[in-house]
Amino acid sequence: DGGITQSPKYLFRKEGQNVTLSCEQNLNHDAMYWYRQDPGQGLRLIYYSQIVNDFQKGDIAEGYSVSREKKESFPLTVTSAQKNPTAFYLCASSTRKPHTGELFFGEGSRLTVL
Amino acid sequence: SQKIEQNSEALNIQEGKTATLTCNYTNYSPAYLQWYRQDPGRGPVFLLLIRENEKEKRKERLKVTFDTTLKQSLFHITASQPADSATYLCALETDSWGKLQFGAGTQVVVTP
Repeated sequence: DGGITQSPKYLFRKEGQNVTLSCEQNLNHDAMYWYRQDPGQGLRLIYYSQIVNDFQKGDIAEGYSVSREKKESFPLTVTSAQKNPTAFYLCASSTRKPHTGELFFGEGSRLTVL
Repeated sequence: SQKIEQNSEALNIQEGKTATLTCNYTNYSPAYLQWYRQDPGRGPVFLLLIRENEKEKRKERLKVTFDTTLKQSLFHITASQPADSATYLCALETDSWGKLQFGAGTQVVVTP
């Protein structure tokens, strides 16, 4: 079945540690996105990539880094510079066609900083 | 600044009734607007997309309207069922390649 796989589902981190969240898709989509969701707030865009080896900052990129070495993979690293990293992280993908941007989401990764 | 507003209070509704959710936006001129459903602890799932030149879109028991003059979309669930209980998110296009801005969502609770 085609879809997006995020791992791990739950992750605990000590302050000062970097962690990497995995996102893999087999939908053959060009575009991939990382969103952060906090209680009572909308999804906020962290980074997005429209093509391999290229990515752009979203609205809240500070303290995060990404790479896009393969079409299928878009890992997100939450660095120690992120002041409040505890959140629910969602990866998504879409076809790279104008004005047709239905997003397909993974099941999310919940990060808790201890 | 750009803003998307959805009712923050949960909508409690009796089974069989119609649930109506509102999405208002300012300082956008989106070419299209989308609605998603999100269950607790899960990723959002796409429901409907409506374009700026479409007044209304339907899918089974769901209906969406889009008024670009009022800068508002209404989302209706007719003949609601307990299985419709979830949070519903609206999202607006912010560039031509599908980058979306999301509202905070409205929780719907359908009681038997």
